[in-house]
Amino acid sequence: QKEVEQNSGPLSVPEGAIASLNCTYSDRGSQSFFWYRQYSGKSPELIMFIYSNGDKEDGRFTAQLNKASQYVSLLIRDSQPSDSATYLCAVNGGGFKTIFGAGTRLFVKA
Amino acid sequence: DVKVTQSSRYLVKRTGEKVFLECVQDMDHENMFWYRQDPGLGLRLIYFSYDVKMKEKGDIPEGYSVSREKKERFSLILESASTNQTSMYLCASKAGEDEKLFFGSGTQLSVL
Repeated sequence: QKEVEQNSGPLSVPEGAIASLNCTYSDRGSQSFFWYRQYSGKSPELIMFIYSNGDKEDGRFTAQLNKASQYVSLLIRDSQPSDSATYLCAVNGGGFKTIFGAGTRLFVKA
Repeated sequence: DVKVTQSSRYLVKRTGEKVFLECVQDMDHENMFWYRQDPGLGLRLIYFSYDVKMKEKGDIPEGYSVSREKKERFSLILESASTNQTSMYLCASKAGEDEKLFFGSGTQLSVL
């Protein structure tokens, strides 16, 4: 079965630091990769997507993809308390299916 | 503003009841999905649909069925609710195979 693995955390970082979230996936044929943020009691919302090897930056967020190592990461620079949430890594599982990791809980301490 | 709307935010049902969860999207998306989310397990796919009247089983379809009679509406049915179906249910839609998912606000279902 195709899998997406994340460290469940919690990951705790001080305000202003860089938060680094990691994810590995099992299906070498995966083509699209997503990071969703989910606040407690809310539904997931997309914050980044990446299709090609390398880095993709959007504001304080950088997604990194290494298909050879089957590894995706999300860096959050200048972390803010409002970034405290669960971050879900998701991978296109072939066809229309999106497979999610269990999520990493992030706490940013003021 | 694009929307996926789930009919109920909270629902309490009794064991053995038939339960309907409704989802409507206004983005003209072909693809719609039902996930359940449990602590420590992440989002698990129950069923999805890539066209009207078409459906595919996800990873945990047992105890569930779905209906898609119109493009904008995708219903999840619990034929005979059981306590292990107590969960957060999330509906989502997307335009194409490699596109992002848009989620509804979720239905927290409790089966007593």
